[in-house]
Order: sequence, then C-alpha cells, then structure tokens
Amino acid sequence: GEDVEQSLFLSVREGDSSVINCTYTDSSSTYLYWYKQEPGAGLQLLTYIFSNMDMKQDQRLTVLLNKKDKHLSLRIADTQTGDSAIYFCAESLNQGGKLIFGQGTELSVKP
Amino acid sequence: GAVVSQHPSWVICKSGTSVKIECRSLDFQATTMFWYRQFPKQSLMLMATSNEGSKATYEQGVEKDKFLINHASLTLSTLTVTSAHPEDSSFYICSARYRDSQQYFGPGTRLTVT
Repeated sequence: GEDVEQSLFLSVREGDSSVINCTYTDSSSTYLYWYKQEPGAGLQLLTYIFSNMDMKQDQRLTVLLNKKDKHLSLRIADTQTGDSAIYFCAESLNQGGKLIFGQGTELSVKP
Repeated sequence: GAVVSQHPSWVICKSGTSVKIECRSLDFQATTMFWYRQFPKQSLMLMATSNEGSKATYEQGVEKDKFLINHASLTLSTLTVTSAHPEDSSFYICSARYRDSQQYFGPGTRLTVT
C-alpha cells in the first residue's frame, strides 16, 4: 500500500543547512511535495517535484529525488529561526489528486 | 496565490451537539474540495473528497453519517460533525482545487468537544 515515512525531529543552529528526508513506497507516484505547517495553521506548499526530475532548486530550498531508492529530501540553506515549523512530504499520482502525507518532521532552529 | 478560508478557526462544543465548519475558496472556483483531519503531532488524514454538486466520497473508516459534507457551490463546502464526542476533538483542514490544479489549503479549524 501507499506509505510515506519521515523522521520526526531535526534540530539545527541558525545559519546551518537543514536536510529533511522522506521515503515513499508507491513507485507510481508522479508528484512529490513539501509542505510547511506553522503552529495552529494550515499547510503552505513550499515546492514540488515531478517524478521525472532529479533535483529542483528554488532560492534557499533544494529538493533531491532518488527515484530508484524512493527517497526525497528537502535542503534548506542558511536556516533561520522563522523556518522552525513542521515539514510534511506528500505524494500523489496526479497534480491536485489525493495526497498521501508523511508524519511530518518538526524542525527546531536554535539561535 | 489562491486563498482558502475556514470558519470558525476554533470551536468548543458540548458532547452530543453538532457543529458545522465552513471552507471557502475566496478567489477561484473550487471544483473539488478535500477534508482532512489532523491529531496533535500527527499527519493529515484524508477524510473525504467532494466535487461540486455531487455526493462526497469518503475514505475507508470515515463514518459518512457522522461527518456530513456538503459542497453546494463552487466556493463553499461544509463539514458538519454530528453528535460530537470528545474523541472527535481534532484539527480539521480543508483544501480546494480548480480542476487539476494543485490543492490550496485552508488555515484549519480546531474543534474541542467537552
């Protein structure tokens, strides 16, 4: 069945890079997403990648996809205290379709 | 970007009563809306998918008679939790999309049943 796994916690110092990892099981997933959720708020789409891409960079965010290992990562360069939040990876078969979410990784950025 | 709102943002109700949560797409027509439930420190679980003018499609294990979903217009969907109990306390999040666009998420509604 479909399953998405993430580590639960990550703590970094301000200015360092953060790398959040995600693994998924459904090889037919076409779209892979990273969402950010701040306390008590909804989800904000950060970036997404198509399954035929290996990498996507958007300002401080870099997404790497290893389709063979079904591994997705999100790197945040120069992490700031405002980046402290829960980050969810998600997969879907088509854009806008049913999303399967990971458990979320709580990123804590220390000054 | 597209904006989705939810109302109320927080509601407290007594056990046995019903509560309605609204989800609105403010600047686009939402042909499909999704309702998710999130427990503290946990992931989002899809409850149901609703297309405008059609009956909602519920995920396995979600009681459709308890969680009534109405998607009567292209900008509004409602989730009614009937005969609420403390175990229904949760964070409910909706999302909306236009045709095959990405999903845009609302800010969520925190429901506390006492």
